[in-house]
Amino acid sequence: NAGVTQTPKFQVLKTGQSMTLQCAQDMNHEYMSWYRQDPGMGLRLIHYSVGAGITDQGEVPNGYNVSRSTTEDFPLRLLSAAPSQTSVYFCASSPTPGGGQETQYFGPGTRLLVL
Amino acid sequence: GQQLNQSPQSMFIQEGEDVSMNCTSSSIFNTWLWYKQDPGEGPVLLIALYKAGELTSNGRLTAQFGITRKDSFLNISASIPSDVGIYFCAGQMYNNNDMRFGAGTRLTVKP
Repeated sequence: NAGVTQTPKFQVLKTGQSMTLQCAQDMNHEYMSWYRQDPGMGLRLIHYSVGAGITDQGEVPNGYNVSRSTTEDFPLRLLSAAPSQTSVYFCASSPTPGGGQETQYFGPGTRLLVL
Repeated sequence: GQQLNQSPQSMFIQEGEDVSMNCTSSSIFNTWLWYKQDPGEGPVLLIALYKAGELTSNGRLTAQFGITRKDSFLNISASIPSDVGIYFCAGQMYNNNDMRFGAGTRLTVKP
């Protein structure tokens, strides 16, 4: 198994540009989520999904969209990038929706710089 | 939202020393978790705690779920150079998909 994969590893955007961060897992996990990590702030949940076709907002959802058309993929879209979205983005998955997040597996991260 | 206060922010210790870090919250959590993150990688789960008062070990690591359910600590005994990294606490409320993370403790171990 490849686990949780994320692409790209690095990205530089100009303010106002849009892009999609890709996340895929091959473990047949129901639960997937996106976090951003900023210096001194730990990880903050952006959006999550408890299964295909179901998504919900986390702590910091503004400026981001997600969709979950398949169990394997959970892309994160930035519609109009802003410098405040400069961060490291982590995708995670776990076998169980709802309670049970503790078995989350994290991807390697995508480093995004918005100029 | 719930705030997790993790301390200390950073630690510089000598190889072989013991380490202790903790997390406190104004909110009650049903699960406390401790993760380690190496540079350029995602966090990896070290220990999960599910019951107030629970004390769990994983090798040289020991973590406890506070009785008030508002705090947790992580101890590392006899530190080694590969313990270097950032340690995060995380709390999750019952039946809630939202997990909150502390700001992290950056550990440096000098050989």
